Amino acid sequence: RKEVEQDPGPFNVPEGATVAFNCTYSNSASQSFFWYRQDCRKEPKLLMSVYSSGNEDGRFTAQLNRASQYISLLIRDSKLSDSATYLCVVNIRTGGFKTIFGAGTRLFVKA
Amino acid sequence: NAGVTQTPKFQVLKTGQSMTLQCAQDMNHNSMYWYRQDPGMGLRLIYYSASEGTTDKGEVPNGYNVSRLNKREFSLRLESAAPSQTSVYFCASHSQRGANTDTQYFGPGTRLTVL
Repeated sequence: RKEVEQDPGPFNVPEGATVAFNCTYSNSASQSFFWYRQDCRKEPKLLMSVYSSGNEDGRFTAQLNRASQYISLLIRDSKLSDSATYLCVVNIRTGGFKTIFGAGTRLFVKA
Repeated sequence: NAGVTQTPKFQVLKTGQSMTLQCAQDMNHNSMYWYRQDPGMGLRLIYYSASEGTTDKGEVPNGYNVSRLNKREFSLRLESAAPSQTSVYFCASHSQRGANTDTQYFGPGTRLTVL
C-alpha cells in the first residue's frame, strides 16, 4: 500500500463547478500536510497547508481528519486556470524527517 | 531572491555518458533534495542532504551520486547514463520553520533524455 494515495483522475469539470480531491495517508506519525499544484511541465508549487481546524484561501478549502487519516481539497467556482495536477503531500517525523508526495490528481476545467 | 535554480534546463545524453546536474538555493535552507518524476509515478526521492556536509539515500539512489558543495549548492551526478534515467529531475530545498510550515520549494527542473 502506498503511504499517500490520491484519486488519479483525471477530473473533467465545467467552469464554475465545485470539485473535491481526496487523499489518504497510512503513517500515523504524519505531522504536517500540504496541497501542491503542478502545471504541465513545471515544478510543483505550494498551494496551501492543511490544518486540523480546516483552512480556506479564497475558492480553496482544505480539511484534515487525523482520526481517518484523510485530507481533502475543495475548489469552488472552478476557473480554466485551475487546470493542473494537485499533489497531496505529507511530512512524517519519526526520529528523522521524510516527505511523501502523492502521485497527483489531474484536473481539467472546460469552458 | 531567485529561490531554487537548476542547470541545465534540458539535456540529451548517449548511454554511458556522464553529467552533473547543478542546483543552488538562496533561501538559507539547511535541507536540499533531488527528485525524479516520471509519467504516472509521482515524485521519487533520489538523494537528500539534511544539512551541509551530510547526504543520504532516498528511494531510488542507484546510478546517482550527490555532493553538497556548501549550504547553497547540491549537485547530482550520473556517472554512466542509462535510458532508464530519462526523466525530469527536480531539486528542492526545505524550510523548517515549524510543523505546519515544513514546505519544500522546487527548482524549475531538468529534462534529461538518455538515448
